[in-house]
Amino acid sequence: GENVEQHPSTLSVQEGDSAVIKCTYSDSASNYFPWYKQELGKRPQLIIDIRSNVGEKKDQRIAVTLNKTAKHFSLHITETQPEDSAVYFCAASTGGYQKVTFGIGTKLQVIP
Amino acid sequence: SQTIHQWPATLVQPVGSPLSLECTVEGTSNPNLYWYRQAAGRGLQLLFYSVGIGQISSEVPQNLSASRPQDRQFILSSKKLLLSDSGFYLCACTGPYEQYFGPGTRLTVT
Repeated sequence: GENVEQHPSTLSVQEGDSAVIKCTYSDSASNYFPWYKQELGKRPQLIIDIRSNVGEKKDQRIAVTLNKTAKHFSLHITETQPEDSAVYFCAASTGGYQKVTFGIGTKLQVIP
Repeated sequence: SQTIHQWPATLVQPVGSPLSLECTVEGTSNPNLYWYRQAAGRGLQLLFYSVGIGQISSEVPQNLSASRPQDRQFILSSKKLLLSDSGFYLCACTGPYEQYFGPGTRLTVT
């Protein structure tokens, strides 16, 4: 089955700096890579996703990149703000209502 | 889009007591359903998933069980809770691509 590795497990940045979270996956059939943000005590929420026919996708201050050859993808947050503090999960799936495999999560702390 | 309901929202149970958590889904038919557990400060541990009524796959052997008596109903149960069963329990279903999560049940076993 699919295995998703995520690092770092914790990340502290100063407000205004950038944050990068990296993930690798094992199943070459995976073609959908979502990122979830989980605030304390709440459910994970999808913040951005990328499909295998795209190398990069951007939405305001967040962007994701995908390298299918190397089987890794990354989340980039620019101009971080205190409200970006949360746990971020990467994930991989083959789509089509199939199971989504999650990474272990990265706890991001943005220091004001 | 799908809406997932879970109850109760919070629960405090003594060790050795039974457990029943319920999840229902609206806005879709024949969904793939999942139960996750999240211990404090930890990642998402997949417990069970179901592709249809009566079809349950267990990811982790433990004292929990799951059932799917109706198409859009998924139940997590235990006969005797352990302290290690404490955590945040999330029900989820998959759409064409992404996974949607319910609001969760916070279980504290004392």
